Amino acid sequence: DGGITQSPKYLFRKEGQNVTLSCEQNLNHDAMYWYRQDPGQGLRLIYYSQIVNDFQKGDIAEGYSVSREKKESFPLTVTSAQKNPTAFYLCASSLSPRRGGNQPQHFGDGTRLSIL
Amino acid sequence: GESVGLHLPTLSVQEGDNSIINCAYSNSASDYFIWYKQESGKGPQFIIDIRSNMDKRQGQRVTVLLNKTVKHLSLQIAATQPGDSAVYFCAEALGAGGTSYGKLTFGQGTILTVHP
Repeated sequence: DGGITQSPKYLFRKEGQNVTLSCEQNLNHDAMYWYRQDPGQGLRLIYYSQIVNDFQKGDIAEGYSVSREKKESFPLTVTSAQKNPTAFYLCASSLSPRRGGNQPQHFGDGTRLSIL
Repeated sequence: GESVGLHLPTLSVQEGDNSIINCAYSNSASDYFIWYKQESGKGPQFIIDIRSNMDKRQGQRVTVLLNKTVKHLSLQIAATQPGDSAVYFCAEALGAGGTSYGKLTFGQGTILTVHP
């Protein structure tokens, strides 16, 4: 089945620790995205990547880092600089908007990060 | 500005009724709009999208209406079923040419509850 896989489903972080969330897609999509969702709110964009080896900051990039070394993978690291990391993290992918306009983004089932 | 609301709009309907979920979007330059359904603990699921050169688009049991004059988007669900109970999000994206191309901006969401 084609889709987006996020792992782990639940993750716990100790104070001062960096953690990395995995996102893999086999949809052959060029673009990938990371969002954060807090209770009762919509999704906010952390980082996005339109092509391998290139990525841009979204609206709330502080305290986060990403890499895009492979088309299929877009891991997100939540660093110790992120003071309020408890949230539901969602990864998405889409065909590149450069191919013909904005495209629907397809989401994984998220990783819930909590502080110990 | 950032939405801080913790109380999402809600809509309660009886099974078999038609549902209409409304969304006011913020940017008159947006040219792409999309609706998602999110069930508890899962990622958003694509429902339907529409581009700004259209004012109506139909899918299976769903219709999206776009009124650019008043920056309003609506999702109509026909013959609503208990399985339609979820949080529904609208999102908008700018057209080509800007640095924000391909980025979705999400609304706060609406909780739909369908009673048998």
